[in-house]
Amino acid sequence: EDKVVQSPLSLVVHEGDTVTLNCSYEVTNFRSLLWYKQEKKAPTFLFMLTSSGIEKKSGRLSSILDKKELFSILNITATQTGDSAVYLCAGDKSGGSNYKLTFGKGTLLTVNP
Amino acid sequence: GAVVSQHPSRVICKSGTSVKIECRSLDFQATTMFWYRQFPKQSLMLMATSNEGSKATYEQGVEKDKFLINHASLTLSTLTVTSAHPEDSSFYICSARGIGGEQYFGPGTRLTVT
Repeated sequence: EDKVVQSPLSLVVHEGDTVTLNCSYEVTNFRSLLWYKQEKKAPTFLFMLTSSGIEKKSGRLSSILDKKELFSILNITATQTGDSAVYLCAGDKSGGSNYKLTFGKGTLLTVNP
Repeated sequence: GAVVSQHPSRVICKSGTSVKIECRSLDFQATTMFWYRQFPKQSLMLMATSNEGSKATYEQGVEKDKFLINHASLTLSTLTVTSAHPEDSSFYICSARGIGGEQYFGPGTRLTVT
């Protein structure tokens, strides 16, 4: 059975800190890993990572995938209170039209002023 | 990023009635659309996967006769909750997958059945 495990489950930091969120996966026919940010509503897409070792960046957020060790990290530098959210990672599999994301339980990040 | 809309954003209905929720991909063609539900402080739960022009694939434990899914075009999928009961009250979220494999979520629909 496919599995995605995120750590830590929750994290409290102060504004300005840098955080690293972890995601390990076991997904058969793995295709890509996706990161999302969920505040009080539906998840917002952050990154899709398909290739190993290539960092993707968007402002203060960056992410990288290691397909040999089966994990990904999401870094947030100079955190702000607006970064407080649940961060979800999901493994995507290839294979015909039977696409399905396997989600981790998420990391609840709280950034205090 | 790509935009997925859902309508309505919030609906209150009486027990026994049916409710239809629409999900549209506004600026891309979605090869596949997904329907999830989420209870407070819990993970997303996939209900079904639908490909345009074919029958939806439902996850185990999801009643296909209760949650009717129609995927009429590459930009529109609908979920109809039939004979709704209070236990169907939840946050329903659709997502759409583009050709590149990225999956974008709609803003969600909060359903309350009284």
